[in-house]
Amino acid sequence: EDQVTQSPEALRLQEGESSSLNCSYTVSGLRGLFWYRQDPGKGPEFLFTLYSAGEEKEKERLKATLTKKESFLHITAPKPEDSATYLCAVQGREAAGNKLTFGGGTRVLVKP
Amino acid sequence: DARVTQTPRDKVTEMGQEVTMRCQPILGHNTVFWYRQTMMQGLELLAYFRNRAPLDDSGMPKDRFSAEMPDATLATLKIQPSEPRDSAVYFCASGLITTGGTEAFFGQGTRLTVV
Repeated sequence: EDQVTQSPEALRLQEGESSSLNCSYTVSGLRGLFWYRQDPGKGPEFLFTLYSAGEEKEKERLKATLTKKESFLHITAPKPEDSATYLCAVQGREAAGNKLTFGGGTRVLVKP
Repeated sequence: DARVTQTPRDKVTEMGQEVTMRCQPILGHNTVFWYRQTMMQGLELLAYFRNRAPLDDSGMPKDRFSAEMPDATLATLKIQPSEPRDSAVYFCASGLITTGGTEAFFGQGTRLTVV
């Protein structure tokens, strides 16, 4: 069974203070690893897909990286608008229908 | 701007009543997921469909939950009878299966409160 663990559960940052979020996973053959952002009262918003170890993706102040066991979401010089819950999910090759298994998320609060 | 549409956005109902949640997936997507989100459990997969066929609904309480896709533009999730423990936010997501992973796009959710 696919499993995803995210750490820390919560992260408080000052504006401009860079940090990283961790997503550790176990999966029987990775088809894809996904990062989402979720704002209060809204659905998860797709950010990135990573397919293989060594791959990196960037979007504004966010950069996602992938190894064979974990993924990191780096937030560089965050702004208050980066405050959200960040969710990581995996799709394993054994997963029929390409279902997504999610981690518990990391709540990020960026203070001005 | 293609998006997944869910209705209703909020639903308050009394215990024992039937609840129906609806989802319009993004046109052209061939996979639909239903997730439930609570503070305690996070996002839990309830059911998912590919090309309108149910692939797995093992995450749903079978005695009270049912999910269907009567056509490519509509997915429904029903709870009958509803119970207070069903209170949660229910999300629908759709995606297009490729040889790689399936990027799933979520709707805004239906917040269900059962009193």
